[in-house]
Amino acid sequence: DVKVTQSSRYLVKRTGEKVFLECVQDMDHENMFWYRQDPGLGLRLIYFSYDVKMKEKGDIPEGYSVSREKKERFSLILESASTNQTSMYLCASRTGQGGTQPQHFGDGTRLSIL
Amino acid sequence: DAKTTQPPSMDCAEGRAANLPCNHSTISGNEYVYWYRQIHSQGPQYIIHGLKNNETNEMASLIITEDRKSSTLILPHATLRDTAVYYCIVRVVAAGNKLTFGGGTRVLVKP
Repeated sequence: DVKVTQSSRYLVKRTGEKVFLECVQDMDHENMFWYRQDPGLGLRLIYFSYDVKMKEKGDIPEGYSVSREKKERFSLILESASTNQTSMYLCASRTGQGGTQPQHFGDGTRLSIL
Repeated sequence: DAKTTQPPSMDCAEGRAANLPCNHSTISGNEYVYWYRQIHSQGPQYIIHGLKNNETNEMASLIITEDRKSSTLILPHATLRDTAVYYCIVRVVAAGNKLTFGGGTRVLVKP
């Protein structure tokens, strides 16, 4: 089974802090994604990566950056956390081989910015 | 991506089959139907997907109508652990293509 592991289930940080969310997948997937999920707004794509050192902006990249130095790890960085970044953050991965393969998600990080 | 319509909620008796409908009347020929579910406080879990043929795996069966305008996800023997929000998604498959979840169906499996 595909395993996508997010480093923290719950995280509390303060406004202005630099926050790192880590995601690791064990299936040698080329594609990795960061989403946030908010009530009433559904799932929104922040960034995704096709392969190592490659990244593409999603729908809401402002205030975020990403890093993909190794194939299995995709990090989301909140440069200067703000209260409106309080949310559930979800990482997903997907093989780049065969276009029909689904995305597989981690269990999420519930981030609170105080 | 084509829009989907699902009932907001449904109840199911434990041990019985749960049949979850999804309408996607504007689906185009190169769009696949995917189903995910999300159990409370967990990440979305992939269930099954298909193009036009019926599909079955260890979790569920997917029945797609011949005109592809609707589909049904079948959980053959629902358990209490199947209580979740179920999302039907129709999308063109492409690398990096984002997922967009609609409202989904909140399924409550009752003992």
